[in-house]
Amino acid sequence: NAGVTQTPKFRVLKTGQSMTLLCAQDMNHEYMYWYRQDPGMGLRLIHYSVGEGTTAKGEVPDGYNVSRLKKQNFLLGLESAAPSQTSVYFCASRPRTGAQYFGPGTRLTVL
Amino acid sequence: AQSVAQPEDQVNVAEGNPLTVKCTYSVSGNPYLFWYVQYPNRGLQFLLKYITGDNLVKGSYGFEAEFNKSQTSFHLKKPSALVSDSALYFCAVILGGNSGGYQKVTFGTGTKLQVIP
Repeated sequence: NAGVTQTPKFRVLKTGQSMTLLCAQDMNHEYMYWYRQDPGMGLRLIHYSVGEGTTAKGEVPDGYNVSRLKKQNFLLGLESAAPSQTSVYFCASRPRTGAQYFGPGTRLTVL
Repeated sequence: AQSVAQPEDQVNVAEGNPLTVKCTYSVSGNPYLFWYVQYPNRGLQFLLKYITGDNLVKGSYGFEAEFNKSQTSFHLKKPSALVSDSALYFCAVILGGNSGGYQKVTFGTGTKLQVIP
């Protein structure tokens, strides 16, 4: 099992550019999450999904969109990147009961 | 609303000494509690969890945690610290018993553990 994988690992964008981060899990987990991690602020939930075809907003959803067309994939999109979106992004998945499994992270810099 | 508090931003301990990383929670109902560890430039790794049963939970790498319902705490402990335990530790809570729909996961802000050789 690869667990949770994230693509890409690093990315530099200019303000206004768009990009998509891909999260994939091979554990057949129902729930998937996107977090951002910033110094001194812990993990903040951006969006989450409780199953294929469903998504919902977390604590800090503005400026991001998500899609879960397949159970194993959860995509995070930035339509028009801003410097405030410079962060490390983590994807996680988990079964209905149990712990989350995290991906290795994507380090995004917006200039 | 549920919340998690990790009152110490950093904990320093000498190698070989016991360590404790504190976590308290607030949730209206039965909690599921978790500890995760994050090494530099890595994602979070699951250490241990409390769902139900024995209040003392044993996890990976020799760590354990004690669920204390009256004090609403779930402190992480290890009898003898290693330099390699130096990392960032996160406590998390889920409101248990909700078998359908979304179960909100709330994380603490993290505690940096520094084990001094």
